[in-house]
Amino acid sequence: GAVVSQHPSRVICKSGTSVKIECRSLDFQATTMFWYRQFPKQSLMLMATSNEGSKATYEQGVEKDKFLINHASLTLSTLTVTSAHPEDSSFYICSARDAGRATGELFFGEGSRLTVL
Amino acid sequence: SQQGEEDPQALSIQEGENATMNCSYKTSINNLQWYRQNSGRGLVHLILIRSNEREKHSGRLRVTLDTSKKSSSLLITASRAADTASYFCATDRAGANSKLTFGKGITLSVRP
Repeated sequence: GAVVSQHPSRVICKSGTSVKIECRSLDFQATTMFWYRQFPKQSLMLMATSNEGSKATYEQGVEKDKFLINHASLTLSTLTVTSAHPEDSSFYICSARDAGRATGELFFGEGSRLTVL
Repeated sequence: SQQGEEDPQALSIQEGENATMNCSYKTSINNLQWYRQNSGRGLVHLILIRSNEREKHSGRLRVTLDTSKKSSSLLITASRAADTASYFCATDRAGANSKLTFGKGITLSVRP
């Protein structure tokens, strides 16, 4: 149980276009999901906390108009990178907490590698 | 400031040896967690230890927590080549609905 599916796993786009990444909890309800960005051989940088039915909470320095987050249901959160530029190329990972568990572990998607040409 | 910092940053051992990885943190925590990440993949939760626990075991994993020193260690016994991955500690300061703060990670290489 506790599987998180993230799509697409890889995406290549042209500069100026927008890209949407989906994060789904397949067998549990996730009231809270988290979006991270990871540079090669580095740690995860938390971008924002996505709360079902409300606005996302962005970390300092993360542009909310650039990285649009929507958490419309208890099983789906999306991250849209708007007007992507080569510097947005990165590995994006989502994670979720199981609302039905008292423990605090996170369940991660497999990540999405974005390459902006 | 970095909440979780692991050391060493990289560790290379022979298959069958034990691997010990350490994590230090700065503020009080509710629990500390260890995760594993294979290259280019998502993270997998390994083990969680609460602030009132001192040691926990799960299979070949043993984690300790010393809240007085604000440090934790992850021991992998009888390592296998398949244990090659990056390992991260993450601290949870406020419980079930809070965000985790991840350390920089340790790259473990297990030579067959």
